[in-house]
Amino acid sequence: GAGVSQSPSNKVTEKGKDVELRCDPISGHTALYWYRQRLGQGLEFLIYFQGNSAPDKSGLPSDRFSAERTGESVSTLTIQRTQQEDSAVYLCASSLEGAHDTQYFGPGTRLTVL
Amino acid sequence: GENVEQHPSTLSVQEGDSAVIKCTYSDSASNYFPWYKQELGKGPQLIIDIRSNVGEKKDQRIAVTLNKTAKHFSLHITETQPEDSAVYFCAASVASFQKLVFGTGTRLLVSP
Repeated sequence: GAGVSQSPSNKVTEKGKDVELRCDPISGHTALYWYRQRLGQGLEFLIYFQGNSAPDKSGLPSDRFSAERTGESVSTLTIQRTQQEDSAVYLCASSLEGAHDTQYFGPGTRLTVL
Repeated sequence: GENVEQHPSTLSVQEGDSAVIKCTYSDSASNYFPWYKQELGKGPQLIIDIRSNVGEKKDQRIAVTLNKTAKHFSLHITETQPEDSAVYFCAASVASFQKLVFGTGTRLLVSP
């Protein structure tokens, strides 16, 4: 079946602009995660959605970052007033019910802030 | 909070040799430990995982061992092949929250 998809695959923007990244999880997966991966670094947790529960936003680095999820489907990660340090690959993952289930990752969106 | 340390950061082996990557974690309540392989330009992919009720799990050339007392777990790859070359990440569940904490990654290079 279809895996996790993300769009766009690449995004180049100018400092100060807003960007919106999209994630389509695997159908039926109630849990959805966003991670940030800087060049040559590990995965940094950003936010977690589980069904209709309040999201865990503990990893968002600043109030410029926000994310939404419509029910158990598409999620968007928005970065306002982008800064050069926001340049990274943003990865989305989904799992059947939570962290103890296998997380399936999308290919990521490479964001470059000039 | 949970902290996961991973070593080594890079590992070079000859084809056919074994490779071992080690991780330690800090939260004694962690009970789920997956390993992911990330190839260039792709998202991480689960290769094997282990839960705290077992000490070892094997899948063909890949095995994972867990020592809960010492709070460390390891990935073992035997008979390495060039296609094993990638970045490998370990992770540990955070008991209080439904999320994983990842190690910093190991870049494995298998030379023919």
